[in-house]
Amino acid sequence: TQLLEQSPQFLSIQEGENLTVYCNSSSVFSSLQWYRQEPGEGPVLLVTVVTGGEVKKLKRLTFQFGDARKDSSLHITAAQPGDTGLYLCARRSGNTGKLIFGQGTTLQVKP
Amino acid sequence: GAGVSQSPRYKVAKRGQDVALRCDPISGHVSLFWYQQALGQGPEFLTYFQNEAQLDKSGLPSDRFFAERPEGSVSTLKIQRTQQEDSAVYLCASSSIRISVGTGRYNEQFFGPGTRLTVL
Repeated sequence: TQLLEQSPQFLSIQEGENLTVYCNSSSVFSSLQWYRQEPGEGPVLLVTVVTGGEVKKLKRLTFQFGDARKDSSLHITAAQPGDTGLYLCARRSGNTGKLIFGQGTTLQVKP
Repeated sequence: GAGVSQSPRYKVAKRGQDVALRCDPISGHVSLFWYQQALGQGPEFLTYFQNEAQLDKSGLPSDRFFAERPEGSVSTLKIQRTQQEDSAVYLCASSSIRISVGTGRYNEQFFGPGTRLTVL
């Protein structure tokens, strides 16, 4: 199975610190997505990366797709309490485009 | 316009009871997905509808789980004889039809807030 392994599972940091979350697999993917999910809400799409080596920025968030398209990272600069949430990577599967998610990284940013 | 809505938001059931969870997708969205999410974990795919046709139900964990979308709009996920292991958040997502057949490109899935099911 083409599993997505995320690390770390939990991260608790102080406001203003930087952090990186990883999403790894042994398989090559055509694309990878990152979502953020806040308590009591559904996941919200942050970005889709498609090309090996691709880097995308969304304000203080930087997403990178590995050259071999087997891994991806999410880097947050100067984290803020509003960044608190569950960060999920996901890939599409099959003709339906159903999403296969990693187990997620729970981020807590303390003020 | 309104996003995906789900009801009820919270459901407590006694073991053995039947439950029905409702999803109202974004108007006009052809595709509808159900996912199950255990506490602190990523969502896991349950089933997929294209209009009223259930094209993939490979993720349904047992024959106690049943989903329908009779008119291609609202969908209901039914769980019969609930068990404690069914306790989870059930998420619904909808999207318009994929951008281009054959290219593997898909439209974004928009998620509802989920229904938190607790089986006692």
